Amino acid sequence: AQRVTQPEKLLSVFKGAPVELKCNYSYSGSPELFWYVQYSRQRLQLLLRHISRESIKGFTADLNKGETSFHLKKPFAQEEDSAMYYCALSGGVNRDDKIIFGKGTRLHILP
Amino acid sequence: ETGVTQTPRHLVMGMTNKKSLKCEQHLGHNAMYWYKQSAKKPLELMFVYSLEERVENNSVPSRFSPECPNSSHLFLHLHTLQPEDSALYLCASSPSTDSISPLHFGNGTRLTVT
Repeated sequence: AQRVTQPEKLLSVFKGAPVELKCNYSYSGSPELFWYVQYSRQRLQLLLRHISRESIKGFTADLNKGETSFHLKKPFAQEEDSAMYYCALSGGVNRDDKIIFGKGTRLHILP
Repeated sequence: ETGVTQTPRHLVMGMTNKKSLKCEQHLGHNAMYWYKQSAKKPLELMFVYSLEERVENNSVPSRFSPECPNSSHLFLHLHTLQPEDSALYLCASSPSTDSISPLHFGNGTRLTVT
């Protein structure tokens, strides 16, 4: 069965320190992975997706099929990174599986 | 206004009331979605529409009734709800139901059932 696990409900990191938000998944095929972010008083929005292999706002995420993980990383945290982060999975372009989300991790950047 | 707009932002209703949530997208997308976000649970997909046709209904109780009159508008009609239906209801759109298409979300409607 499809499943997305974000083991941390809350992660507090000092400004300037590295950030790693964990995401593990369970999927029988080749999944497509996403990170969505929700800043305070803003709507949920796409941060980045595996297929694009891009860095957005200094964040990157590498798909590790061996460990079935898609952790979100940033080398130096900034205060504006404080937000709710959701990892999401779908079945990829050739599948009908719709996107499912993890429970989310709240990232709190300490000054 | 561009993007995905949901109204109302907040709604309080009794269990015997009938109300509707509205979603409108100005992105030219062909797919629209309803999600439910409850405390301590992941986002739950409720309904998917592609070009005004319902393509997915995730075992949602019949007290929730979706309507998609055209590709820009989506409604969620509510009747005889239960207190456990209190949640944030999010509308989203995407270019297609192709599962690599990113979702564009509205701000949501915070529903409280008393």
